[in-house]
Amino acid sequence: GAGVSQSPSNKVTEKGKDVELRCDPISGHTALYWYRQSLGQGLEFLIYFQGNSAPDKSGLPSDRFSAERTGGSVSTLTIQRTQQEDSAVYLCASSPSREASYEQYFGPGTRLTVT
Amino acid sequence: GESVGLHLPTLSVQEGDNSIINCAYSNSASDYFIWYKQESGKGPQFIIDIRSNMDKRQGQRVTVLLNKTVKHLSLQIAATQPGDSAVYFCAETSRDNTGKLIFGQGTTLQVKP
Repeated sequence: GAGVSQSPSNKVTEKGKDVELRCDPISGHTALYWYRQSLGQGLEFLIYFQGNSAPDKSGLPSDRFSAERTGGSVSTLTIQRTQQEDSAVYLCASSPSREASYEQYFGPGTRLTVT
Repeated sequence: GESVGLHLPTLSVQEGDNSIINCAYSNSASDYFIWYKQESGKGPQFIIDIRSNMDKRQGQRVTVLLNKTVKHLSLQIAATQPGDSAVYFCAETSRDNTGKLIFGQGTTLQVKP
């Protein structure tokens, strides 16, 4: 079946502009996660959605970052007034449930470059 | 805070040899420990997980060992193949059990033909 998809695969933007990154999770998965991966680094948790519950935003680095998940499926991560330090690969993952969070399936990521 | 670390950033092995990738963790309350493989340009791919009440779990050509006494996790790959070349990350479920994973920095495995 289809895996997690993300778009765009690459995004180059100028400092100060806003960007939107999209994630389509695996159909039926109730949990959705966003992570950030800087060059040569591990994954840094950003935000987590579980069903209709309020999202866990504890990993968002600043108030320039926000995310929403519409209809319990597609999610959009928005970065406002981008800075050069926002350059990274943004990864989305989904899992069947919170209880199965150890079983996360990742998309290919969106590589964001802020010039 | 929580942290997960890997002992070596790069591991180079000969094709056919066994590989051992190590990881140290700090969160004694984690329910699960997981290994991911990330190939260049792709997202991490789940390899194997182990529950905290186990000390060993085997998959196809891979074995994960968990030593809770010293908070150490390892991934063993038998008969390493060129296709195993990738970055390997260990991860643990977070202390608050909200579902997010805490990832280590990654070890690059290079397989020499």
